[in-house]
Amino acid sequence: DVKVTQSSRYLVKRTGEKVFLECVQDMDHENMFWYRQDPGLGLRLIYFSYDVKMKEKGDIPEGYSVSREKKERFSLILESASTNQTSMYLCASSLLGSSQKETQYFGPGTRLLVL
Amino acid sequence: AQKVTQAQTEISVVEKEDVTLDCVYETRDTTYYLFWYKQPPSGELVFLIRRNSFDEQNEISGRYSWNFQKSTSSFNFTITASQVVDSAVYFCALSEGDTGRRALTFGSGTRLQVQP
Repeated sequence: DVKVTQSSRYLVKRTGEKVFLECVQDMDHENMFWYRQDPGLGLRLIYFSYDVKMKEKGDIPEGYSVSREKKERFSLILESASTNQTSMYLCASSLLGSSQKETQYFGPGTRLLVL
Repeated sequence: AQKVTQAQTEISVVEKEDVTLDCVYETRDTTYYLFWYKQPPSGELVFLIRRNSFDEQNEISGRYSWNFQKSTSSFNFTITASQVVDSAVYFCALSEGDTGRRALTFGSGTRLQVQP
């Protein structure tokens, strides 16, 4: 079974704090993704990575950065948290170049509240 | 640009009723993949089905069935004899291309409530 884990289920931070959200997958997947989920908007892509140290911006990258130093780990960084970044953050991973490609497997999500 | 529309924001049914969740997509690619995910109250998205653009066969898995029609750009999801455990938010999603690097474009989701 694919396992994607996220470091926290719930997080409360103050405006201006630097926030790290960690995601780890144990299936040797090349692709990893960060989405945020807001009511009525579905999931929107923040960043994705298709290899170690490689990253590409998604639809809403402003205010975020990412880091992928190891294949299994993909970190989302909020350099200076703001209240409009209060959201549910979901990490996903997928395999590249197999019959299962394109299927993304998700972690349990992190609910972030920025006060 | 690709787009996925789930026009039904919320549906409420009584247990054992059949229910269909609609999904309409837009894409310019000839190769693409369509997905359905379930998000129960626990929050984790659970993969249900993946369909590629060249396979228009309908699929049935237990009480779940999917109807893919390229002519109307729709990929609808039907739950037969719904159960309380089916209560969740359901997302339809689209992925374009063959590279495997493409992210998913999600619809806004349909919240299904199954009343006992």
